[in-house]
Amino acid sequence: GQQVMQIPQYQHVQEGEDFTTYCNSSTTLSNIQWYKQRPGGHPVFLIQLVKSGEVKKQKRLTFQFGEAKKNSSLHITATQTTDVGTYFCAERASGTYKYIFGTGTRLKVLA
Amino acid sequence: KAGVTQTPRYLIKTRGQQVTLSCSPISGHRSVSWYQQTPGQGLQFLFEYFSETQRNKGNFPGRFSGRQFSNSRSEMNVSTLELGDSALYLCASTLGPGHEKLFFGSGTQLSVL
Repeated sequence: GQQVMQIPQYQHVQEGEDFTTYCNSSTTLSNIQWYKQRPGGHPVFLIQLVKSGEVKKQKRLTFQFGEAKKNSSLHITATQTTDVGTYFCAERASGTYKYIFGTGTRLKVLA
Repeated sequence: KAGVTQTPRYLIKTRGQQVTLSCSPISGHRSVSWYQQTPGQGLQFLFEYFSETQRNKGNFPGRFSGRQFSNSRSEMNVSTLELGDSALYLCASTLGPGHEKLFFGSGTQLSVL
């Protein structure tokens, strides 16, 4: 079945450093979503990517969808303490309404 | 517009008991899905409902069940609780077909002793 691998599992950075998390699927994706979950909170939708090679930006966050639509990345420029949390990618299993979430990358930002 | 509401927020049960969790989706949303979140297994899909019909089910034992009412509110039930059922249970809603952004509730933290 579909699997979503996400790396790294943990990342500690100094405030101001950049951060990147990668998501890899075993199958070609129709689209991919990214969510952020703050400590003690619930996942909150960040963005959805649909097109091959698509790049979208939200302020300091840059999201990319691979050309083969099998991988995606989230890059944060100049991290801030407000970026702390776990970032998940998610894909919808083909032909279903079931979302498969990546294992998540937990980001800690040291002030 | 109110967000997704889950009740109760916290729950403590003992092994062998059963539990019912409730989820009220955002007004107008007709699809409700449930996820189990644990530190070891991450976010795991339980099931999804649309217009009172279960469209998809995850790989969980039959002790886990759910339903959706005509007003789109949903409940999930876990019978014969086991220690391993301790988790954060999250409900998410969407408008329905063609609308893929999941709106999550704050979850129910279930502890099984």
